[in-house]
Amino acid sequence: GAVVSQHPSRVICKSGTSVKIECRSLDFQATTMFWYRQFPKQSLMLMATSNEGSKATYEQGVEKDKFLINHASLTLSTLTVTSAHPEDSSFYICSGTSGGDYNEQFFGPGTRLTVL
Amino acid sequence: GQNIDQPTEMTATEGAIVQINCTYQTSGFNGLFWYQQHAGEAPTFLSYNVLDGLEEKGRFSSFLSRSKGYSYLLLKELQMKDSASYLCASMDSNYQLIWGAGTKLIIKP
Repeated sequence: GAVVSQHPSRVICKSGTSVKIECRSLDFQATTMFWYRQFPKQSLMLMATSNEGSKATYEQGVEKDKFLINHASLTLSTLTVTSAHPEDSSFYICSGTSGGDYNEQFFGPGTRLTVL
Repeated sequence: GQNIDQPTEMTATEGAIVQINCTYQTSGFNGLFWYQQHAGEAPTFLSYNVLDGLEEKGRFSSFLSRSKGYSYLLLKELQMKDSASYLCASMDSNYQLIWGAGTKLIIKP
């Protein structure tokens, strides 16, 4: 299957700082990328969908000014958590799809964010 | 509204067979996915069904009934490494995945 990488895998930051998470599709062009958040023992919660070169579409309840998403190329999307607070501590996962036969999403390994 | 239901937790014995059920209600339907997720890791793709019937892939099989809004994942010859959460997701008319909460499968020796 296709490979998606995420960096960093873990990050610990102080409250009020900003954190950038990178998501890269390594061997395919991701026309669409998705950002998810997962709290312990809960399912994936879609935060936003982004298409290369256009603004991301945010899910209801997700603050677009707090979670900045950039999808500048077909292989790179970034999520910046601005002015992070302890309640933003979570597992952030990106996925990408190139369309294909059934729009299968390929997931990155996730980023564990801890805000102190 | 859109809804995916699957059991929260199941327990099975090594070497046995287990069936994880999923019912779905989504706005439109473009297929049903099953993903495996080990603790602290991202989901990995297991199967995709869009037509009624059973798809077999090694020890794992997935079944779909579109008229009933129902799917199941069948795991045979269970191994300890199969202990994980299994996520059911339905793709709606906008090609967006609607996720279930996941079924935590515990395998006992």
